[in-house]
Amino acid sequence: GENVEQHPSTLSVQEGDSAVIKCTYSDSASNYFPWYKQELGKGPQLIIDIRSNVGEKKDQRIAVTLNKTAKHFSLHITETQPEDSAVYFCAARANTGGFKTIFGAGTRLFVKA
Amino acid sequence: NAGVTQTPKFRVLKTGQSMTLLCAQDMNHEYMYWYRQDPGMGLRLIHYSVGEGTTAKGEVPDGYNVSRLKKQNFLLGLESAAPSQTSVYFCASSHGDQADTQYFGPGTRLTVL
Repeated sequence: GENVEQHPSTLSVQEGDSAVIKCTYSDSASNYFPWYKQELGKGPQLIIDIRSNVGEKKDQRIAVTLNKTAKHFSLHITETQPEDSAVYFCAARANTGGFKTIFGAGTRLFVKA
Repeated sequence: NAGVTQTPKFRVLKTGQSMTLLCAQDMNHEYMYWYRQDPGMGLRLIHYSVGEGTTAKGEVPDGYNVSRLKKQNFLLGLESAAPSQTSVYFCASSHGDQADTQYFGPGTRLTVL
């Protein structure tokens, strides 16, 4: 089945710097890759997603890139702000194998003011 | 709109006790899901439902049962709680399949002693 690995597990950056979180997946049939942000005491919230027919997608300070050949995708946050501090999860889903969105283990991002 | 709500927010059980977690959504979503979140393991799908009256097993279904008698509600039951079921439980819903945005509830923190 699908396996999603996420790195790093913890990331600390200075306010204004960029942050990059990387994920790899194993199932070549995966075609949908969402990213979720989870703030303390809350449920995860979708911040951006990408489908396999697209290589890159951008939404203001957030961008996601996908390399299907290498089976990896990344989240890029530019001009980080303290409110970006949270846990970020990547996920992958394939059309096959039933309804299973497989999540990475998460990255705890700290943005220091 | 309240979105996705979960009750209770916290619960402590003794081994062998039973309980039901309630999830409600007011977005008229067809699909609903139950996940558990454990440290360092991301979110894992327990059970899901693609419509009123239907349920199916996810990645880690053992020890849990679910029911979807009404479209807006999705119940997760633990018949005989075990310490291994200590976790944070999240409910989610989506309009269509998992390639649609999933909206998560705030979570239920369950401790089994």
